[in-house]
Amino acid sequence: GQNIDQPTEMTATEGAIVQINCTYQTSGFNGLFWYQQHAGEAPTFLSYNVLDGLEEKGRFSSFLSRSKGYSYLLLKELQMKDSASYLCAVMDSNYQLIWGAGTKLIIKP
Amino acid sequence: ETGVTQTPRHLVMGMTNKKSLKCEQHLGHNAMYWYKQSAKKPLELMFVYSLEERVENNSVPSRFSPECPNSSHLFLHLHTLQPEDSALYLCASSQSPIGTSGYEQYFGPGTRLTVT
Repeated sequence: GQNIDQPTEMTATEGAIVQINCTYQTSGFNGLFWYQQHAGEAPTFLSYNVLDGLEEKGRFSSFLSRSKGYSYLLLKELQMKDSASYLCAVMDSNYQLIWGAGTKLIIKP
Repeated sequence: ETGVTQTPRHLVMGMTNKKSLKCEQHLGHNAMYWYKQSAKKPLELMFVYSLEERVENNSVPSRFSPECPNSSHLFLHLHTLQPEDSALYLCASSQSPIGTSGYEQYFGPGTRLTVT
């Protein structure tokens, strides 16, 4: 079966750095997406990786290793507004998104 | 403003009611999606429409019936639901037809559905 694993919850301190991991087993691979979802709101797109390596976008970076079935989202200089759930999703061989259950990130002052 | 709107935002219905959820996208996209989001579970893809044709139906019970009259509008018709159908129902749209990668989905704010 297809499976996306990510930690259920993480806690970090304002101003610090946090890495949210995602491992996947899917039938085919056509890219990996990270989304942010604040409580009670819609998921919003953060990043897309299809080739191995690091993609940097401001305070957020996303890394992909296709051979390991592994990705991480790196958040730097954490702010209170970064408290949210972070969703990892993989596009499979049928171009359908397979979603993880999300990682709830709690930022403490 | 995400460019995808959903109404109503909250809905409480009995198991014998019939109701409809509405989604509208203002982004010029040509693919639209219905998802179910339950607490602490992955997003479940329910239906996909590409160029106004349904291309995916992931074994969704027949008490859920989608309708896509044009590329900007998507409906989810509900009837004789069960309490376990209570969840957040999200609509999304994307730029490309199914079969291409790299295009992110834009989500609406969702409808919080409670079945009593």
